[in-house]
Amino acid sequence: DAGVIQSPRHEVTEMGQEVTLRCKPISGHDYLFWYRQTMMRGLELLIYFNNNVPIDDSGMPEDRFSAKMPNASFSTLKIQPSEPRDSAVYFCATVGSDRNNQPQHFGDGTRLSIL
Amino acid sequence: GDSVTQMEGPVTLSEEAFLTINCTYTATGYPSLFWYVQYPGEGLQLLLKATKADDKGSNKGFEATYRKETTSFHLEKGSVQVSDSAVYFCALTDSWGKLQFGAGTQVVVTP
Repeated sequence: DAGVIQSPRHEVTEMGQEVTLRCKPISGHDYLFWYRQTMMRGLELLIYFNNNVPIDDSGMPEDRFSAKMPNASFSTLKIQPSEPRDSAVYFCATVGSDRNNQPQHFGDGTRLSIL
Repeated sequence: GDSVTQMEGPVTLSEEAFLTINCTYTATGYPSLFWYVQYPGEGLQLLLKATKADDKGSNKGFEATYRKETTSFHLEKGSVQVSDSAVYFCALTDSWGKLQFGAGTQVVVTP
């Protein structure tokens, strides 16, 4: 089992640039979650998908953030334009259909630095 | 809404000491409860879970019991090792199936 795979592991870019974070879920998992982790705010849920459909995007901070899941094997989180305050670690996590009782599996995260 | 409160860190211990991290929750229903661990530079990993009252989760010498009467899920380990140094998160699944995390507790174990 390959686990949840995120890329890139690290991204450093200048403000104003477009940033795309990628996630490959565990095969067979129906739910995919995007989180952001910062020292100030801890872990925040940004958006989650069920069977590739966005269910709750109330955590997405601004219109600069968007997420897609074009198929069951791939999701992206895009920031355009990026700002220094977007610097954080972004995690993708997935879980199967019994999301209430089964644990979410996390990727190793993307550490994003916006200069 | 549902929420989790856990003790603030950092918690600094000597090797072989006893570790307790307190966690209490507020929930309208009967959530599943989890402890996750995050090692430096890595994502969160499930440490243990409990899905109903009085269940005890255990893994790698860590234990936690789902206490409905005190709405608690305290994490314990009898003898910590340097390799247990990490950040520990208590979490529950709310009525929408979303994870609600505590703020995390950093544990530092010294030789």
